[in-house]
Amino acid sequence: GIQVEQSPPDLILQEGANSTLRCNFSDSVNNLQWFHQNPWGQLINLFYIPSGTKQNGRLSATTVATERYSLLYISSSQTTDSGVYFCATDWGGYQKVTFGTGTKLQVIP
Amino acid sequence: GAVVSQHPSWVICKSGTSVKIECRSLDFQATTMFWYRQFPKQSLMLMATSNEGSKATYEQGVEKDKFLINHASLTLSTLTVTSAHPEDSSFYICSASREGYEQYFGPGTRLTVT
Repeated sequence: GIQVEQSPPDLILQEGANSTLRCNFSDSVNNLQWFHQNPWGQLINLFYIPSGTKQNGRLSATTVATERYSLLYISSSQTTDSGVYFCATDWGGYQKVTFGTGTKLQVIP
Repeated sequence: GAVVSQHPSWVICKSGTSVKIECRSLDFQATTMFWYRQFPKQSLMLMATSNEGSKATYEQGVEKDKFLINHASLTLSTLTVTSAHPEDSSFYICSASREGYEQYFGPGTRLTVT
C-alpha cells in the first residue's frame, strides 16, 4: 500500500512564529486532505487539495502531485493551533484514505 | 459544509459486553462510510469500508466478527464492538463521502473497556 510520511514529527513554536509541515507520499494519489486534530480528538478538515495551492486565513497548503508531496503553512501561529496535523491521501480508486504519521505541534505563549 | 455526527461521544463498558457506535451524515447522502481506529499518540488506521446495503470490506488484521459494521441507509452506519476487552479501548472515528467528493469525518467516539 501507499506510504505517507510527515515531517517533522514534533514541533514547538513560539506564538507568532511561522512553520511549514511536509507530507510525502509514495505513490500517485487521487486527492489529498489536511486535518487538524484538536486536544479533544476531533478531526477538523483544513484543506482538500489534490493539486495547486489554497489559502484560508493564516493557513495555506500546496500540493505538487507530480513530485508526491504537500506542504501546510501556518503563519503567525497561535496557541489554539496546537494539536496534531495529519495529511491523508485517497488512492487506489476505492476512496480508501491512508493517514500520514502526523506532526504534533505545540505553540507556546 | 457536510456534517457527520457520531454517538456516543464517549462510552465506558465492562469487559465482555457489546457496544454500538452510530455514525450519521446529517445533510447529505453518503454512498460510502469508513471506520477508523486511533490508539493514543498514533495515526488513524482504516478498519473497514462500507457501502449502503452491502457487506463491509475489512482491512487486513481487523476481525469482522468482533467489529460488526452495518450500513443500513445512506445516512447511517453502525459499528458494534462485540465482547469488548480492555485492548479494544481506543478512539473510533467514522467518515462519510459521496462519490467523487472528499471525506467528512465525525468527531469520534472514545471507548474505554474496564
